[in-house]
Parts: sequence; structure tokens; C-alpha cells
Amino acid sequence: GENVEQHPSTLSVQEGDSAVIKCTYSDSASNYFPWYKQELGKRPQLIIDIRSNVGEKKDQRIAVTLNKTAKHFSLHITETQPEDSAVYFCAATRGSQGNLIFGKGTKLSVKP
Amino acid sequence: NAGVMQNPRHLVRRRGQEARLRCSPMKGHSHVYWYRQLPEEGLKFMVYLQKENIIDESGMPKERFSAEFPKEGPSILRIQQVVRGDSAAYFCASSPVQVVDQPQHFGDGTRLSIL
Repeated sequence: GENVEQHPSTLSVQEGDSAVIKCTYSDSASNYFPWYKQELGKRPQLIIDIRSNVGEKKDQRIAVTLNKTAKHFSLHITETQPEDSAVYFCAATRGSQGNLIFGKGTKLSVKP
Repeated sequence: NAGVMQNPRHLVRRRGQEARLRCSPMKGHSHVYWYRQLPEEGLKFMVYLQKENIIDESGMPKERFSAEFPKEGPSILRIQQVVRGDSAAYFCASSPVQVVDQPQHFGDGTRLSIL
């Protein structure tokens, strides 16, 4: 079935460094790829998304790249801050439906 | 503009009881998605509904689970005869139209604990 793989599962960086999280997907019909940030005990919050007709999107310190040929997409966070510490999930739409298939998450720790 | 509202935030049930989880989508949104999150794991799709219609229930167990989104009122996820394995956080998300690249905004979730 459709699948989204996410790596790494944990990531620890020093404040000010960059963090990169990578995802691959299996459904070639997927055309929408959101990223969510989830703090402990809270809801997933959409931080950035990208559609299949775009290769890269940036919003301040956060950027996402998409390679449809290789079926992978990545989240880049620059100048990390302690408040960036959370679990980050990538997701891809399942074919022609709107429901999302999520990766298993990356726990990001930013050390002051 | 109120976001997606879910209640209750926490629900405790004994094995064999029924659990009802409610979700009111954002204003103007007519599409609702339910996801389940086990501890330390990602979200798993359960069911996708439009007003008075189930669009996709492929992620929902065939037995004991049901969902509805009536013309009036919130969407309801119903779990009958709950078991310990049903303990999880259940999140609801909504989107405005049936377009696959529309952002989904999540509610705060219902944390279900089965004793």
C-alpha cells in the first residue's frame, strides 16, 4: 500500500545550526506534501506545505524541497532555536483522495 | 475565526463501554478527516466525511467503529465495546473543499484512555 518513510527518527542540533529531515513516498499520484510540528500533548500544526508543481518553497527559516522524479521531499530549518524542539511529521496525499499518509515523525532537539 | 473544535479533550472509559468523540470543523469547512495517533507514533488516517456522506472509510476498523457527519451538528466518531488497544489520541481535521491540495487544520484531539 501507500507509504511515507521519514528519516531520521531523532535529530539533535546546537542552537543556530541547520536541521534537515527527509521523506520518501510511494504513491506517484500524491500531489500535496505538508509538514506538521507537534509539541508534546498538543495538536499537529501545519508549518509549511508544497504542491507537486513546485520544486521549492521558503517561509522565513523554514524551506521545503520536492523531487517528484525521485519521490522525496525534505524540510530544512535554518538558524534553529530551542523553541523549534518538537516532533515533525511529513505527509503526502493518498492518490486522488484528500486524506494524508504520515511519516513516523522526527523528534528534533535544539540544544541552547 | 474559531479553529477545529474537538470534545471532550480527555475521555476515560472501561472496557466494553462506548466512546463518542465529537468534532466541529472550522467555519465554512464541509470536509472532515479523522486520524488516530498511538503514543510515540505518527497519525493514521481513519475516515473522511463530507456532510451526510462517508467518502473514504478505508482506514477505519470494520467492527466497533463508525463515523457520521450529519447535516446539522458535529461529526461523531463512535467506538463501541472499547478495548485497551483503542487507547490513543484521536484527531480531527477539516478542509474547505474537496480538493486534494487543501491544507488540513487539526483540532486539539481527544485523548481516550481505556481502563
